[in-house]
Amino acid sequence: RKEVEQDPGPFNVPEGATVAFNCTYSNSASQSFFWYRQDCRKEPKLLMSVYSSGNEDGRFTAQLNRASQYISLLIRDSKLSDSATYLCVVNEAGGGADGLTFGKGTHLIIQP
Amino acid sequence: DAGVTQSPTHLIKTRGQHVTLRCSPISGHKSVSWYQQVLGQGPQFIFQYYEKEERGRGNFPDRFSARQFPNYSSELNVNALLLGDSALYLCASSLPRGRGHGYTFGSGTRLTVV
Repeated sequence: RKEVEQDPGPFNVPEGATVAFNCTYSNSASQSFFWYRQDCRKEPKLLMSVYSSGNEDGRFTAQLNRASQYISLLIRDSKLSDSATYLCVVNEAGGGADGLTFGKGTHLIIQP
Repeated sequence: DAGVTQSPTHLIKTRGQHVTLRCSPISGHKSVSWYQQVLGQGPQFIFQYYEKEERGRGNFPDRFSARQFPNYSSELNVNALLLGDSALYLCASSLPRGRGHGYTFGSGTRLTVV
């Protein structure tokens, strides 16, 4: 069974702090990795793809460790608007006939 | 440019009824996937269609079916509705077979079964 495990939180973090999320995945055939953000009662939106070399987009940094089957997301200088649920997502090579596999999400609350 | 559009946005049905949900992908996207998200959980994969053919199916009963039309829009059908089918149903479109570009989701159809 293909699973993605995340700490559900909630993470309560003061504005301006740095916060890190982790997730692990069970399917070693996974080839594509993403972080999605989901606001309350809204659809998931792609935050960033995750590459083996690690990648950064502004205040957000994602890392992938294929050997440990572990993905991380770091948010620096957190803003109130970062409050949301962050979903760790994996996919098999070529899109995968089994679709995207989502974690249950980590709930982040940025406090003023 | 229009994103992924889904209809209806909200729906209330009674147990045993049938429901049809609709999705139009982003222009140029030929792959459409359906997901079910119950409260407090991540989305669960139901179906993937590419070039009008079913390319993948999640662990859902045969009451769930779908199809894709020549214009790449898609329908999800659920028969004999159960209370447990109450969820947010999400449609996602992507470039061919995902290919690591990520999927764009519609705003979903919120189905309530009473």
